[in-house]
Parts: sequence; C-alpha cells; structure tokens
Amino acid sequence: QVQLQESGPGLVKPSGTLSLTCAVSGVSITSTWWSWVRQPPGKGLEWIGEIDHSGRTNYNPSLESRVTISVDESKNLFSLNLNSLTAADTALYYCVRGGTYYLSYWGQGTLVTVSS
Amino acid sequence: EIVLTQSPGTLSLSPGERVTLSCRASQSVSSNYLAWYQQKPGQAPRLLIYAASSRATGIPDRFSGSGSGTDFTLTISRLEPEDFAVYYCQQYGNSPPMYTFGQGTKLEIK
Repeated sequence: QVQLQESGPGLVKPSGTLSLTCAVSGVSITSTWWSWVRQPPGKGLEWIGEIDHSGRTNYNPSLESRVTISVDESKNLFSLNLNSLTAADTALYYCVRGGTYYLSYWGQGTLVTVSS
Repeated sequence: EIVLTQSPGTLSLSPGERVTLSCRASQSVSSNYLAWYQQKPGQAPRLLIYAASSRATGIPDRFSGSGSGTDFTLTISRLEPEDFAVYYCQQYGNSPPMYTFGQGTKLEIK
C-alpha cells in the first residue's frame, strides 16, 4: 500500500525558507514522478513542481524562482524547499505520487504558516 | 498556460439526484491529460477519474467522466450522502510541463 508522509516545521518566518520532506513507503521512488501541491486555507489547489528519481524537475513558472525539489533515492524520499516566504505562502502542503498526467496518491498534507 | 474554468461554483442538490459538473479549458486539452478529484473537508484530494473517462481504483461506477477538446464533464448518476464535497478538474500541459487545476465546484446538500 502506497503511503506518503510529509514532515517539516509548521511555522516559518517571513523571508525565510520552507523545507519539507515526503517519506514514501509501499513503492519505490524510482517508479514514477513525484509532486508537491499546496492549498491555502479555504482555497483551491496549486501545483508547485515535480521530480523523478534521477532528479529531473519541472516547476510551476509562477514559483520557479523560489523553488527547489530534490530526491534521495537511497532513503525513498523527496523534499521541497521554498524561499523568500510571505504570508501568501501559508498553505497546506501535499506530497503526491504522479501517474501518467494525473496525481494518483496524496499524503495527508502538512500545514505551514508564515508568520513572525 | 491553459486555464480551467469549472461551473457552477456551488451546487445544492439532494441525495439520489443526478449531477453534471463542467470543466472548460481555455485551449484544447488532450483527453489523456484531464483528471478529476474529490476533496472532503479535512481530507486530501482523491483521484476519481483520469484520462477524462477512466475511473481510478476503487471509485464507484456512479462516477463517470466524458468530454474532449475544451469541454469536459464529471457526472454522478445518483448522489450518495458521502458525495457532497468539492470537485476539481486538472490538466497536464506540455508547454511548459505542469499541472493546472480548476477552481473547484462545491457540491452541497440541499
């Protein structure tokens, strides 16, 4: 059974960097692409970016200048870094397993609040 | 970048009714690249439909997807109490390679 578990700080200061990790179990991280998606409280879904096991990435152009997604094949996990944070980055952050042009399995999400 | 517009924003219906949700794209989308998700309060989204009309594993057959080009629909043939949720459509574009979502349709109990 595929399971994804996000972890990281729940509170980050403005202008700081958000760092989250997604631990994948039940499937090899080499199997497909892996995404990060976020959802501000009470709002819709925004795709942040994706990575494959070799480290190839695609990013949302609106966030590309601030985002880095990395993968650790040996630990079966992938990570998100988002810098220059503002209050607008406050959101529930999901790690997601990609399919063939769709997002098949979602973690439970982790809330990140940007506040001083 | 392709923009997806869902309509209506909110629908109030009763259990047992049939409902069709709309997702319109600003440019033609390959059917292979169109998916639908259900999100209940406090839960992560769940994949319902991929490639416009294929049901994901474990999804009841009262859910069906159809459409092509710029117009896609999600139909629930007979609403169950657990179907009241927010529904999102999503497409994958190649230039640039990225996922985009519609703004969502909220299905609420009348």
